[in-house]
Amino acid sequence: GAVVSQHPSWVICKSGTSVKIECRSLDFQATTMFWYRQFPKQSLMLMATSNEGSKATYEQGVEKDKFLINHASLTLSTLTVTSAHPEDSSFYICSATGTSGRPSSYEQYFGPGTRLTVT
Amino acid sequence: GQNIDQPTEMTATEGAIVQINCTYQTSGFNGLFWYQQHAGEAPTFLSYNVLDGLEEKGRFSSFLSRSKGYSYLLLKELQMKDSASYLCAGMDSNYQLIWGAGTKLIIKP
Repeated sequence: GAVVSQHPSWVICKSGTSVKIECRSLDFQATTMFWYRQFPKQSLMLMATSNEGSKATYEQGVEKDKFLINHASLTLSTLTVTSAHPEDSSFYICSATGTSGRPSSYEQYFGPGTRLTVT
Repeated sequence: GQNIDQPTEMTATEGAIVQINCTYQTSGFNGLFWYQQHAGEAPTFLSYNVLDGLEEKGRFSSFLSRSKGYSYLLLKELQMKDSASYLCAGMDSNYQLIWGAGTKLIIKP
């Protein structure tokens, strides 16, 4: 149990276009979802935290108008990279924590990640 | 400020034991996580410690000392598939994870 999926797994887009990444909790209700970015050989960088039905909380330095996050339901959150540029190329990973009970509210379950390349 | 320190890279031999250390400074403390991350993949959960002591789970064990702000991950009977990055993360008083940069573990035959 506690499976999180992401779609797409990888995407190549042209500079200036927008890309949407979906994160779904498949077998549990995710009250909170997290979006991370990871550059090669670097640690995970938290971009934003989103709770179902409310606005996402962005980390300092992350442009909320560029990285649009929507957490419309307890099983789906989306990250849209608007007007993407080559420096946005990265590995984007979502994670989710569940409601009290199963799974543990402390543990984050990660999606498989989305590799974005902007040309 | 909040900070997680762990070695950048370690090398060990197949069949041996390796200990990966982590020191942490967080605003409040709600536990210490270890995750494994293979290259190009997302992290997978290994362990969670919130009380002092050693938690054993098969070939992997995790230790925590809250007074020292210190944890380690112990891997026994190393296998080639254990080659990965190991991420230490502390959870602060807001239940936010503070991530270390990860320790790349290289296993040699």
